[in-house]
Amino acid sequence: GDSVTQTEGPVTVSESESLIINCTYSATSIAYPNLFWYVRYPGEGLQLLLKVITAGQKGSSRGFEATYNKETTSFHLQKASVQESDSAVYYCALGNSNNRIFFGDGTQLVVKP
Amino acid sequence: GGIITQTPKFLIGQEGQKLTLKCQQNFNHDTMYWYRQDSGKGLRLIYYSITENDLQKGDLSEGYDASREKKSSFSLTVTSAQKNEMAVFLCASSMDWFSSQNTLYFGAGTRLSVL
Repeated sequence: GDSVTQTEGPVTVSESESLIINCTYSATSIAYPNLFWYVRYPGEGLQLLLKVITAGQKGSSRGFEATYNKETTSFHLQKASVQESDSAVYYCALGNSNNRIFFGDGTQLVVKP
Repeated sequence: GGIITQTPKFLIGQEGQKLTLKCQQNFNHDTMYWYRQDSGKGLRLIYYSITENDLQKGDLSEGYDASREKKSSFSLTVTSAQKNEMAVFLCASSMDWFSSQNTLYFGAGTRLSVL
């Protein structure tokens, strides 16, 4: 089936350090799934951070970037310099040919001041 | 912009009890979803509704019923609460069912505890 595996949390980094949260996907129903990163900030609902629907493309939002890599079936989330306000839970997700969205287990990010 | 409102925010039930969770959206979206999230886990799809009066089972529909009374509302019923069950139920909506590129918009969730 279709699934997503991401870095197990919590991930703790200091403010201004770089960050990478790994995400790999398995898609059996579709050659080129749509890929998403969703985020839940403390006290808020889950919301879209970024999405990429074309293999080889990069998406970016709020200083975060993720590149859709078909060869390694990966969609890692990166940021060059994190801020305390980036502390949240990040979910990688895949959209398949049946218009279903599959979510990873989430990665809690803790940014220390 | 729009908003998704879930009620109640917290729900405490007794074993065997029938419990209903409600969701309202004002995006005018066609499609609505109910997900369950257990602690430290991803979201699992319980039911979805492509349009008003439509119901589709997800991966986790056993033990649940759903109802799409009108375009803006989607309710979920736990038919018989299980002892010590604890989970967060998330309602979401998207513009339509025709593309998995569509963004999902989520409510804040209903946290269920069963005594």
